[in-house]
Amino acid sequence: GAGVSQSPSNKVTEKGKDVELRCDPISGHTALYWYRQSLGQGLEFLIYFQGNSAPDKSGLPSDRFSAERTGGSVSTLTIQRTQQEDSAVYLCASSFGGGASSYEQYFGPGTRLTVT
Amino acid sequence: KNEVEQSPQNLTAQEGEFITINCSYSVGISALHWLQQHPGGGIVSLFMLSSGKKKHGRLIATINIQEKHSSLHITASHPRDSAVYICAVRLSRATNKLIFGTGTLLAVQP
Repeated sequence: GAGVSQSPSNKVTEKGKDVELRCDPISGHTALYWYRQSLGQGLEFLIYFQGNSAPDKSGLPSDRFSAERTGGSVSTLTIQRTQQEDSAVYLCASSFGGGASSYEQYFGPGTRLTVT
Repeated sequence: KNEVEQSPQNLTAQEGEFITINCSYSVGISALHWLQQHPGGGIVSLFMLSSGKKKHGRLIATINIQEKHSSLHITASHPRDSAVYICAVRLSRATNKLIFGTGTLLAVQP
């Protein structure tokens, strides 16, 4: 079956513009994660969705960042009024479940965002 | 100080060598993940463990909960093992947030 897919693969935007990044998780996976990897930095958690539960937004760096997950499947990460420090690779991952149990996460190829 | 520390940061080995990458963490965890990231960015989950030892092919992962330490071993290393290896921990069952180490860059020379 298909893995996690993300679009676009690359996005160049001007400072101040809004961007939307899309993630299609593996079918049947109830948990979905967004991460960010800045140049020369490690991976950083942004947000987590599990089923119909309220998302864990504790990793979002500012209120310019938001995410939604429609119908328990596709997710969109939106960055408003982009800044140069938002330039990074944004990675999406999904897993079979979540909650109290831990599950292996499957990562998408990422979206490379460049803010000029 | 990072909550998750990896060592070494960089490692160069000759093909066939036995490789060990270490991960230490300073907080209680409910699970630990080992990830592999090849040049070009794709990330693959290698192991998820909360106790003991797991083996998959030439890869072995161990964890010692009391010592807050995990190791990833690669036996009979090959140039295709060249990648960044990342340790990540899940702090508790109350959160699915992962805290990541900064990674170990492994280069296996033929």
